[in-house]
Amino acid sequence: TQLLEQSPQFLSIQEGENLTVYCNSSSVFSSLQWYRQEPGEGPVLLVTVVTGGEVKKLKRLTFQFGDARKDSSLHITAAQPGDTGLYLCAGDNYGQNFVFGPGTRLSVLP
Amino acid sequence: KAGVTQTPRYLIKTRGQQVTLSCSPISGHRSVSWYQQTPGQGLQFLFEYFSETQRNKGNFPGRFSGRQFSNSRSEMNVSTLELGDSALYLCASSLVGTSSYEQYFGPGTRLTVT
Repeated sequence: TQLLEQSPQFLSIQEGENLTVYCNSSSVFSSLQWYRQEPGEGPVLLVTVVTGGEVKKLKRLTFQFGDARKDSSLHITAAQPGDTGLYLCAGDNYGQNFVFGPGTRLSVLP
Repeated sequence: KAGVTQTPRYLIKTRGQQVTLSCSPISGHRSVSWYQQTPGQGLQFLFEYFSETQRNKGNFPGRFSGRQFSNSRSEMNVSTLELGDSALYLCASSLVGTSSYEQYFGPGTRLTVT
């Protein structure tokens, strides 16, 4: 059974701080996606990383895929209250299905 | 382009009843996946439909079933509801065929079983 772990589980920071959340697995994935979910809504896709070692930047968010395609990180610079939400990573099991991590719940206080 | 739509958004049912949830994918997307999200278990994959055929299935009992129509719209059915079926049910559509396909989620249907 493929599993994705995310850390930390909860994170509460002040506006303007930087943070990194992690997504780890013992399995290799063909690609990995990051989502942000707000209460009562579906997850919104932020990015897809495909190549081992790949780094993608989306404004203040930086995503990295591990060289072995088993892990990923999301770094947020100068966090804002609008970044608050549940961050989920999901591994693509070579087109068979997506495996989701349990999520990191981020709270950015003004 | 319109996003994924799910109906109804909220539903309250009694134990033992059955329920049908509906999902309309993004235009042109032929794959629809269903997920159950609960605070304790997170997002769990139920099944995926592509071109009216179930392609993949998660580890859920047979009370959970689905189907897909020729216009790619999908329905999910849960029979003999149990209290533990209370959850947010999400569907996601994707454009299969690329090297790494991306899923786009609907807002979900919040099912409460009493």
